[in-house]
Amino acid sequence: NAGVTQTPKFQVLKTGQSMTLQCAQDMNHEYMSWYRQDPGMGLRLIHYSVGAGITDQGEVPNGYNVSRSTTEDFPLRLLSAAPSQTSVYFCASSRGDRYTDTQYFGPGTRLTVL
Amino acid sequence: AQSVTQLDSHVSVSEGTPVLLRCNYSSSYSPSLFWYVQHPNKGLQLLLKYTSAATLVKGINGFEAEFKKSETSFHLTKPSAHMSDAAEYFCVVSEVKIIFGKGTRLHILP
Repeated sequence: NAGVTQTPKFQVLKTGQSMTLQCAQDMNHEYMSWYRQDPGMGLRLIHYSVGAGITDQGEVPNGYNVSRSTTEDFPLRLLSAAPSQTSVYFCASSRGDRYTDTQYFGPGTRLTVL
Repeated sequence: AQSVTQLDSHVSVSEGTPVLLRCNYSSSYSPSLFWYVQHPNKGLQLLLKYTSAATLVKGINGFEAEFKKSETSFHLTKPSAHMSDAAEYFCVVSEVKIIFGKGTRLHILP
């Protein structure tokens, strides 16, 4: 099992550009989520999905879109990048109950917006 | 309201001495509580979790935590620190929401 994979590992964007961060898992997990990690802030939930075709907003959703067309993939789209979106982004998945099950994290994408 | 507070942003201990990372939480019902570890430039990995079974929870690498409802605490301990324990540790409370603490960076002194 590869677990949770994320691409790219690093990305530099200019303000106003758009891009998609990729996330895939091979564990057949129903629940997937995106977090951003900023220094001294812990992890904050951006969007999550409880299964294919179902997504919902987390704590900090503005400026980001998601979709979940398959169980395996959960891409995160930045519509028009802003310097405030400079952060490290983590994708995570869990088997079923998102409140009690262990979350498995990808290695992260470090994004810089100039 | 649901919240989690990690009481120390940095903790330094000498190799071979005990580790204590403190976490307090608030919740309305019966939360699940987790500790995750993040080594430099890596993703997060589960250390241990409490989900309403035994209040003393054992995790990987010799870590354990005790759920104390009366004190609303879930402190992480290890009897003897190792250099490889140097990392950032996150306490997580999960109930109506999943909330991460701001993290405690553990430094191990030789």
